[in-house]
This record gives sequence, structure tokens and C-alpha cells, in this order.
Amino acid sequence: AQRVTQPEKLLSVFKGAPVELKCNYSYSGSPELFWYVQYSRQRLQLLLRHISRESIKGFTADLNKGETSFHLKKPFAQEEDSAMYYCALASGGSYIPTFGRGTSLIVHP
Amino acid sequence: GAGVSQSPSNKVTEKGKDVELRCDPISGHTALYWYRQSLGQGLEFLIYFQGNSAPDKSGLPSDRFSAERTGGSVSTLTIQRTQQEDSAVYLCASSRSGAANTQYFGPGTRLTVL
Repeated sequence: AQRVTQPEKLLSVFKGAPVELKCNYSYSGSPELFWYVQYSRQRLQLLLRHISRESIKGFTADLNKGETSFHLKKPFAQEEDSAMYYCALASGGSYIPTFGRGTSLIVHP
Repeated sequence: GAGVSQSPSNKVTEKGKDVELRCDPISGHTALYWYRQSLGQGLEFLIYFQGNSAPDKSGLPSDRFSAERTGGSVSTLTIQRTQQEDSAVYLCASSRSGAANTQYFGPGTRLTVL
């Protein structure tokens, strides 16, 4: 069975500090991994996916198959990054993506 | 273009009443998903449609929950005899096909059962 773990429910940092939101997964095949973000009073939306290897709003995430991780990083957090972040896994064998429980990021001024 | 829409945005009902939640996916998206989002619980998968078929209903919490999709487009989620524990935000998402594609979410319906 596939599983996504986001170990931190809440992450609190100050503006300008580096931030890393952790995501670990369990899946034996080749996963598709995503980060979704939900800003206050907005709908859940895609932030980035690993196959595109993009940097969105300064965030990057690298798939580490050895550690089965897909941590989301940003070198200098901004107040507008405060949001709920969900890591998600999709596999070729299932039409149902698996979401982590989410991490609430709060960036203090 | 238009994104995923859901109605109503808010629904307050009394315990024991039935409610219907509606989702309009992005045109051309064959896959449609319903999730429930509760505080501290993340996203709970409810049901998945591919076209009008629901190959996976494994997430529906009880037989009080049902869903249908017609014309490969609009979907309704029905909760019968609502209970207080049904209070949550119900999210709908659509994608071109299957989980490996980006999911586009609606704004959600906030259900409050008194």
C-alpha cells in the first residue's frame, strides 16, 4: 500500500529563514509526487510536481528515491508563504492519489 | 477558462436531514474526485469517478453517503440522515484522467450539521 507521511503538523519560521517541509512516502514503484498548497480562503492548488523540476515561488522539491522523500524547500521564507501544504503521491497502479495530512506553515514577520 | 465549481459554498442543516452537494468539473476532465477535509485530518478520499462510473467507492464512510455523475460532467454527493460528525469541508477535484495528472480543486462546500 502506498503512504505519504508529513511528520510536522505545524512549522513556524521567521521571514527570511530557510524552510523545509518534509514528505516521506512508501511505494515500491516509480511514484509521481506533488506538492499542493492552500492559502487562506483560497482553493487547494498545485504548487509543483517532481517531473516538471520547476521552481515555483522560490520553492523546490527533489525526489530522493533512496530516502523515499520529496521535501519542499525554500531558502528565504516570505510572509505570503504562510499556508497549508500537502504532499501527494500518484502511482501507475492506482487512480487514487494519496495525500499526506498536511503541514501548516506560518511565517512570522 | 472556468475552473471547478461547487455549490452551495456553505450549507447548514439539522441533524437527520439529507443534503446534496454539487460539483461542476473542468470541461473535458474525465476523472472526478470527492474528498472531505476536516480540521487536523487532512484530505480524506471519498469516491472517484472515471466518466460516469465509480470504480472506487472505498472511501465513503457509511451507506448514508452516495454519489453519482451524469453525462461525464456534473457530480452530486448526497448525505442522508446527516450526523454532526459529517460536518466538514467537502472538496471536489477533477483531472484529465487518473491520479498521475494534476488535480484541480473546487472551492469546497462547508457543511455544518447542527
